[in-house]
Amino acid sequence: DGGITQSPKYLFRKEGQNVTLSCEQNLNHDAMYWYRQDPGQGLRLIYYSQIVNDFQKGDIAEGYSVSREKKESFPLTVTSAQKNPTAFYLCASRPVGRNYGYTFGSGTRLTVV
Amino acid sequence: SQKIEQNSEALNIQEGKTATLTCNYTNYSPAYLQWYRQDPGRGPVFLLLIRENEKEKRKERLKVTFDTTLKQSLFHITASQPADSATYLCALEDGNKLVFGAGTILRVKS
Repeated sequence: DGGITQSPKYLFRKEGQNVTLSCEQNLNHDAMYWYRQDPGQGLRLIYYSQIVNDFQKGDIAEGYSVSREKKESFPLTVTSAQKNPTAFYLCASRPVGRNYGYTFGSGTRLTVV
Repeated sequence: SQKIEQNSEALNIQEGKTATLTCNYTNYSPAYLQWYRQDPGRGPVFLLLIRENEKEKRKERLKVTFDTTLKQSLFHITASQPADSATYLCALEDGNKLVFGAGTILRVKS
């Protein structure tokens, strides 16, 4: 079955540590996205990529970094510069074109300890 | 400033009734709007997309309307069931990405 796989499901980060969240899709989708969700708030866009080796900042990119070396993979690194990283992180993909819904992964819950 | 507003209070309805959820927006001119369902601890699931030149879209028990003059979309679930209980998110196209509302919690009681 095609889909998006996010791992790990739960992640704990110590202060000052960088952590990387994995996102892999086998849907042959060109575009991929990272969103952050906090309680009572809508999804906020961190980064997105429309094509391999190219990505753009979203609304809250500070303290995060991404890479898009393969079409299937779009990992997100939460750096120590992100002061409030505790949140639910969601990865999504869709074919290029504006008339498609997003397919989301099941999310990674990151907690700072 | 740009804003997407959904009912912040949960909507509680009786099984079998029609649920109506509202999405209002300001300072956007979306070419299309989407609705998603999200269950606790899970990623959102795409339900429906409606374009600016479409007034209404239906899919099984779901109906979405889109009024670009009022800047509003209504999402209806007819003959609601307890299994429809979830958070429903609306999302607007903004360039090459979607902007999401905070969602409305729907609780259907049997």
